[in-house]
Amino acid sequence: GAVVSQHPSRVICKSGTSVKIECRSLDFQATTMFWYRQFPKQSLMLMATSNEGSKATYEQGVEKDKFLINHASLTLSTLTVTSAHPEDSSFYICSARDEGYSYNEQFFGPGTRLTVL
Amino acid sequence: AQSVTQLGSHVSVSEGALVLLRCNYSSSVPPYLFWYVQYPNQGLQLLLKYTSAATLVKGINGFEAEFKKSETSFHLTKPSAHMSDAAEYFCAVSESYSGGGADGLTFGKGTHLIIQP
Repeated sequence: GAVVSQHPSRVICKSGTSVKIECRSLDFQATTMFWYRQFPKQSLMLMATSNEGSKATYEQGVEKDKFLINHASLTLSTLTVTSAHPEDSSFYICSARDEGYSYNEQFFGPGTRLTVL
Repeated sequence: AQSVTQLGSHVSVSEGALVLLRCNYSSSVPPYLFWYVQYPNQGLQLLLKYTSAATLVKGINGFEAEFKKSETSFHLTKPSAHMSDAAEYFCAVSESYSGGGADGLTFGKGTHLIIQP
């Protein structure tokens, strides 16, 4: 089956630093990937749609300069949290859309837990 | 705009009893509907999906859901609960469609399923 990985699984950083999270589709190509954010005991909120070879599409209220997304290849999207602050601490989950499947099945990565001190 | 309402943040059933997790959606166009399961500190796993084919959808692990347009519902059921079913369950909807597949998902707040021995 389709597998999506994320790296790192956990990261702790100091306030003001930048953190990069990778999302990879391991056995399929994904022209479209999605980034979600999940607060403790809450639902997932779509942050942005990552499109291979073009700019990401951000949801309303998400700061594009804060959350930089790059989708440089068909198997890799990265999310960089710039100048991270404690309020950015969250669980970040990516998903990848397998264009070979009907009806848009998204495969989710295991998530990255970011803690900003 | 699309939205999802999951009734009951926590549902507790006895092992062997019927599981019923409720999901109602709001969508301006025929939606795609999904149920996902999330185990602690893990990503999301697709249980089943509705994509305008059969209204009764069977998924993995014995779960099924029925799409009822008149009630705008997509409730998840399982005839007999197992201890391993204890997890967080999310209902999600997508109504936009581009590039061969549906776009980013809107999730409900989730229902924590507790199985009593």
